[in-house]
Amino acid sequence: TQLLEQSPQFLSIQEGENLTVYCNSSSVFSSLQWYRQEPGEGPVLLVTVVTGGEVKKLKRLTFQFGDARKDSSLHITAAQPGDTGLYLCAGYNSGGSNYKLTFGKGTLLTVNP
Amino acid sequence: GAGVSQSPRYKVAKRGQDVALRCDPISGHVSLFWYQQALGQGPEFLTYFQNEAQLDKSGLPSDRFFAERPEGSVSTLKIQRTQQEDSAVYLCASSPRGRGQPQHFGDGTRLSIL
Repeated sequence: TQLLEQSPQFLSIQEGENLTVYCNSSSVFSSLQWYRQEPGEGPVLLVTVVTGGEVKKLKRLTFQFGDARKDSSLHITAAQPGDTGLYLCAGYNSGGSNYKLTFGKGTLLTVNP
Repeated sequence: GAGVSQSPRYKVAKRGQDVALRCDPISGHVSLFWYQQALGQGPEFLTYFQNEAQLDKSGLPSDRFFAERPEGSVSTLKIQRTQQEDSAVYLCASSPRGRGQPQHFGDGTRLSIL
């Protein structure tokens, strides 16, 4: 079973601060996806990273895929209250079952005004 | 609508009752997935359909769980003789194909078993 460990599990910060969320595994993933989920809603895809070492930016969010494709990070610059939510990383297995997403437990981010 | 639609949004049932949860995927999406999300956890894979074929049901917790997609579009997840541990949010997702594609999620059905 491929597992994704996310840290921290909870994060409460003030508006304007920077933060980084980590997603780690001992297994190699063919790709990693980051989702954001708000209460009562389904996860919404933020980004997909595919190539080891890849960096993608989405406004104030920066996503990085580790060189060995086993880990990823999400960095938010100058966080805003609208960034509040559950951030989930999810990976596609390498090999035959690469239709099955494995999710981490998520990081619950609260940005206080 | 253009997104994945799930119904009902909330379902309360007594222990031992049967329930049926519906998923209407994005039109034309070949692949459909069901996930279970417990409170404070990430979603966990239950089952996968490609068109009407159920290719993987390895995540279904017990034989009380049954899923179907008879015409390759709408899917139903049925839980028989519900137990309290079945209480969770059940998410449906679809993608244009299956392998390695971004998945589009519905807003889920929150199931509470009393």
